[in-house]
Amino acid sequence: ILNVEQSPQSLHVQEGDSTNFTCSFPSSNFYALHWYRWETAKSPEALFVMTLNGDEKKKGRISATLNTKEGYSYLYIKGSQPEDSATYLCASHLGNQGGKLIFGQGTELSVKP
Amino acid sequence: DSGVTQTPKHLITATGQRVTLRCSPRSGDLSVYWYQQSLDQGLQFLIQYYNGEERAKGNILERFSAQQFPDLHSELNLSSLELGDSALYFCASSPGTGPYEQYFGPGTRLTVT
Repeated sequence: ILNVEQSPQSLHVQEGDSTNFTCSFPSSNFYALHWYRWETAKSPEALFVMTLNGDEKKKGRISATLNTKEGYSYLYIKGSQPEDSATYLCASHLGNQGGKLIFGQGTELSVKP
Repeated sequence: DSGVTQTPKHLITATGQRVTLRCSPRSGDLSVYWYQQSLDQGLQFLIQYYNGEERAKGNILERFSAQQFPDLHSELNLSSLELGDSALYFCASSPGTGPYEQYFGPGTRLTVT
């Protein structure tokens, strides 16, 4: 994989549903994987930065896992709420490229009350 | 509020003109990043400065240039503007170039007519 790919492109769920999205990234020259949350009319907000294979991070109802060997990360939201509606971006941070992030296209989540 | 400020918020200008976008990083952050988001495009990394020096470069056009000043604020200069340069330009900052969260400013919306 040369690019950062996210799936699905969009997701519509009901309040209370749990959901998950996938981020695939280049596994060679891996340095870190970032997750951001981007609400409409606002700027991206960092959720997690993950560096170690097998790493798992949690913030409230949102958690993420990382597999650097196969080049994927999952983001989970437990019991989705309408305020979780946003675009979730992942970004690959490769080694020897300073702080350059390569972003995926994002997964747009819509949570209906 | 991320602590990153960008001015102006909106900019409307004509083709062929030159504009300067300004960014002040969070207090204590040494790295500044510039990103472009065009219609139907994800966030594209343009360039990173760390403590006044260029650290990483993306697919930044030759018509675009940036610099970081001794007080750590940064400016992105866009010249010979074309219609396709219309986009949302974000600045972000982080403490260094390692696996740090990047804090995004509110963005500058550039419209080239």
